[in-house]
Formats: sequence, structure tokens, C-alpha cells
Amino acid sequence: DIQMTQSPSSLSASVGDGVTITCRASQSISTYLNWYQQKPGKAPKFLIYGASSLQSGVPSRFSGSGSGTDFTLTISSLQPEDFATYYCQQTYGLPYTFGQGTKLEIK
Amino acid sequence: QLQLQESGPGLVKPSETLSLTCTVSGGSISSSSYYWGWIRQPPGKGLEWIGSIYYSGSSWYKPSLKSRVTISVDTSKNQFSLNLNSVTAADTAVYFCASSRRDSGYDFWGRGTLVTVSS
Repeated sequence: DIQMTQSPSSLSASVGDGVTITCRASQSISTYLNWYQQKPGKAPKFLIYGASSLQSGVPSRFSGSGSGTDFTLTISSLQPEDFATYYCQQTYGLPYTFGQGTKLEIK
Repeated sequence: QLQLQESGPGLVKPSETLSLTCTVSGGSISSSSYYWGWIRQPPGKGLEWIGSIYYSGSSWYKPSLKSRVTISVDTSKNQFSLNLNSVTAADTAVYFCASSRRDSGYDFWGRGTLVTVSS
């Protein structure tokens, strides 16, 4: 299985800050990397596919980059609704695997 | 846009079979554009991919669960289902059904249903 490792596991920031979350794959996955946002008690929300393509309706303050084994999710100016847990997922090879999650909390 | 809804028992006894159904609305499960998946999340933990199915019946499973899992599709009812047998407490989780395009992420999700394995 391809292992996905996110860092940090948790992060504190303030409204208006910019933050970056990193996801590393245990082998090259090209750009088959997706990002999700999950709030407590809710299903994950699909944010980014193909490492850098924004899903329809997702605010432009979210961006993704990377290829191969190293990827980042950047939120340029945090809004109150952005405080949540973020997961990366690879869809390069079966079984699909998720990172362990990064919890973004309000400072 | 697609809407998905999980249904099934919220409590299953150890060693028995967990059975869930996902009903798709707003589109056809026979669409060649979509794959249909199950993902679970134990309480307080991360997401785990269980498996996926295509409308043709082709299916793929997480290897560590493969001996216990069956995912099937019923195109006449616009539904797909998950069966997980010989469950233990470790299978207690919120189970989500979701849709994806080939080699992409899951764009539409059900709300999830909590299944507790307990006697």
C-alpha cells in the first residue's frame, strides 16, 4: 500500500493567516492527489483533485501543488469556516489511501 | 448533482454481517462516468477506503478487508451495497458511501451512518 503522511498533525492559526499543510507519499504518485476538508459530524468535502485543480465551488483561497511524492495544500487567508480537519488521498494505486489528517484550530 | 444516502442497521453483533445500502439520486448509477465507493471512519480517527464498484459490477477492495467484504450494485434500484462479515468491535465506524470519477477523488458523499458492533 502507498502510505500517505501529513504534517503537521495539528496546527493553530488566526483568521486572516495563511497556512500550508504538507502531504508526502511513500512512492511517486504523479499528481493523483486529492484534498478534503472535514468538519465534526459531517462528511468530507472534496476540495482539490489532480494535486492542483480546484473542485467547483471551492473558494480560490485554497490551492494545491506538488507532484511525485511531495504535495502541499495552502489556504491563503483563513476564514472562520476553514477551521476543520484536512485529509490528503492518493488515487494513483489501489488500495486508495488517506493521510492521517491535519486538524486546523483557531489560535 | 448527485445525492447519496446510506441506510442500514446501526447496531450489529460481533461475528455477524454488517449490511449497508447507498441510494443514489440526481443521476444514474449506470453512468459510465462514475465509480461508487465505501469509506469508513472509526470514532475520533481518520478515513479508511474500503472498496469501490463500477456499474458493470467490477469491484476493488482494500486487501486487508478483502476476505470479509463484498460490494454489489443494483442498477434497477440505483443502489449499491456493502456487506462486511465476521465483524468485531474494530469495525465500529461511521460508514460513508461516495462517488468518484476514474482515478480522481470522491466528489459526492452521503451523510454517513454510524455502525456499532456490540453484543
